[in-house]
Amino acid sequence: AQKVTQAQTEISVVEKEDVTLDCVYETRDTTYYLFWYKQPPSGELVFLIRRNSFDEQNEISGRYSWNFQKSTSSFNFTITASQVVDSAVYFCALRDSSNTGKLIFGQGTTLQVKP
Amino acid sequence: EPEVTQTPSHQVTQMGQEVILRCVPISNHLYFYWYRQILGQKVEFLVSFYNNEISEKSEIFDDQFSVERPDGSNFTLKIRSTKLEDSAMYFCATGASGDNEQFFGPGTRLTVL
Repeated sequence: AQKVTQAQTEISVVEKEDVTLDCVYETRDTTYYLFWYKQPPSGELVFLIRRNSFDEQNEISGRYSWNFQKSTSSFNFTITASQVVDSAVYFCALRDSSNTGKLIFGQGTTLQVKP
Repeated sequence: EPEVTQTPSHQVTQMGQEVILRCVPISNHLYFYWYRQILGQKVEFLVSFYNNEISEKSEIFDDQFSVERPDGSNFTLKIRSTKLEDSAMYFCATGASGDNEQFFGPGTRLTVL
């Protein structure tokens, strides 16, 4: 069965600290896609990144970086020099192996960045 | 930048009433989805729609639910007889293909009293 686990329910940091959000996935597929979404207090889901299983290169986008490791089935997300505006719920998701492309979400990690 | 829109933003209804949630997908997208998020919980898949028909539905998506694209642009989710446990945020999402990222609308908060 396909599954996404975000073991960290809540994380609290002080502004300017670095923080890493963990994501572990389970799938039997050899080709799969992983995603991160941000859900700020306003409630919408904001797409952050999509990663193909064949591309293990780490990605950096400004203060955001992602570490994809197939050997440990992990796709972790790091925010460098966190800011109050980063406070949100972050969801990791796995594209289901069916042709429909549905997403299987983890439970989410609530990040609180204090000033 | 194109975006997915949803109406209404908030719907309050009495138990047993029918509700229709509306979504306008990004114009060149072909794959449409509805997801649900009960307050404080994770986002759950309800149904996917492609080529004018349901391609997959979850166990949550029982006979009370239906989807359609009545006019080729709007994508609607109908709940025929709402229950208290249907109270949740409902998100519409669209994608250019099954592999691409899905873009989510802002959600409709449904409250069933």
